[in-house]
Amino acid sequence: SQKIEQNSEALNIQEGKTATLTCNYTNYSPAYLQWYRQDPGRGPVFLLLIRENEKEKRKERLKVTFDTTLKQSLFHITASQPADSATYLCAGGLLGGYQKVTFGTGTKLQVIP
Amino acid sequence: KAGVTQTPRYLIKTRGQQVTLSCSPISGHRSVSWYQQTPGQGLQFLFEYFSETQRNKGNFPGRFSGRQFSNSRSEMNVSTLELGDSALYLCASSSTGVDTDTQYFGPGTRLTVL
Repeated sequence: SQKIEQNSEALNIQEGKTATLTCNYTNYSPAYLQWYRQDPGRGPVFLLLIRENEKEKRKERLKVTFDTTLKQSLFHITASQPADSATYLCAGGLLGGYQKVTFGTGTKLQVIP
Repeated sequence: KAGVTQTPRYLIKTRGQQVTLSCSPISGHRSVSWYQQTPGQGLQFLFEYFSETQRNKGNFPGRFSGRQFSNSRSEMNVSTLELGDSALYLCASSSTGVDTDTQYFGPGTRLTVL
């Protein structure tokens, strides 16, 4: 079955460094990948979407890559701040409806001052 | 614009009971989706409503049902609750219902089944 694996359950990083989160997909080839941020007690907030024909996308301090050979997406936060501490979710979708989107279980990022 | 709201925020029920959760989407959004979130499984799609019609459905038993009203507000019902139904139930709205367009999530309803 389709799987999205976010290898690290938790990641601690020093303030100012670049945080890199990994998302691997197996048993399917998503047409796009999405990244969300989720804070405790709140719903996910959409951050970025990258399509399979795009190698890289940026938004302010965020960068996401899509490597179809490695079946992997990397999510980078540069110059990380304590306010970036949250759980980050990766999702991979096939076109044609929300039932075709598979979510990972998330990586909890802690940025230490 | 007000965000997606969900009521109640917390619920405690016992096995065998039924429960109804409510979701008010962002004004003007016609698509409302429901998800179940558990630590082990992550977010799992339940169903999506668009203009009062169920358009997509996930792999959940028939005990999980929903509906959408003419004002786009949506309700989700779970009958004959089981312990495994304990989860955070999230509602998300979208203006287009296209899966590559942004979905806006509510804060969720935390359901505990004893």
